[in-house]
Amino acid sequence: DVVMTQSPLSLPVTLGQPASISCRSSQSLVYSDGNTYLNWFQQRPGQSPRRLIYKISNRDSGVPDRFSGSGSGTDFTLKISRVEAEDIGVYYCMQAPHWPLTFGGGTKVEIK
Amino acid sequence: EVQLLDSGGGLVQPGGSLRLSCAASGFTFNYYGMTWVRQAPGKGLEWVSAISGSGDNTYYADSVKGRFTISRDNSKNTLYLHMNSLRSEDTAIYFCARDYSFDSWGQGTLVTVSS
Repeated sequence: DVVMTQSPLSLPVTLGQPASISCRSSQSLVYSDGNTYLNWFQQRPGQSPRRLIYKISNRDSGVPDRFSGSGSGTDFTLKISRVEAEDIGVYYCMQAPHWPLTFGGGTKVEIK
Repeated sequence: EVQLLDSGGGLVQPGGSLRLSCAASGFTFNYYGMTWVRQAPGKGLEWVSAISGSGDNTYYADSVKGRFTISRDNSKNTLYLHMNSLRSEDTAIYFCARDYSFDSWGQGTLVTVSS
């Protein structure tokens, strides 16, 4: 199985400051069609998860442009340019080219 | 607007069975693969099962293989998860999600396995 390793586990942030979450996979996430299927999700307290980013860097509809994704191969990053109060929650990366589909363990973003 | 409505959760004894449902609307259901993801209390997300748009292909996590069965009724725009031989470690909120990239999620339904 592809292991997805996120860091840090917890990320205390100051409102208005940037934040960055790392995700590494144990295998390349490049699929046979040439696309890299690495997605990012946000789960606010008490809510269902919501997809933010798909295929490394594509923002979903309605996602603020302060969120950005980058990376390639096995090494990926989610960045928040200026953290706002509504960004508090747990963030997960997830890989989709390999069965079983697997998630990272999550990064909890909280106010410092 | 895409909507996914999860239902069917509840309290069940170890070894028991339960059927979860996910009613879909706002999109052409049979065009999309569908998935189930679960979240144990205070834990992260775990993919459980997936099914292709036609229903011809199914996929399972090792932790549920042989006990859970995913199915769909495209005439009713509904996804199902039949769960047998339930264990305490199956206690979780179960979410349905659209596609293998989980672009939309249901609100979840809580399954508690306890005597």
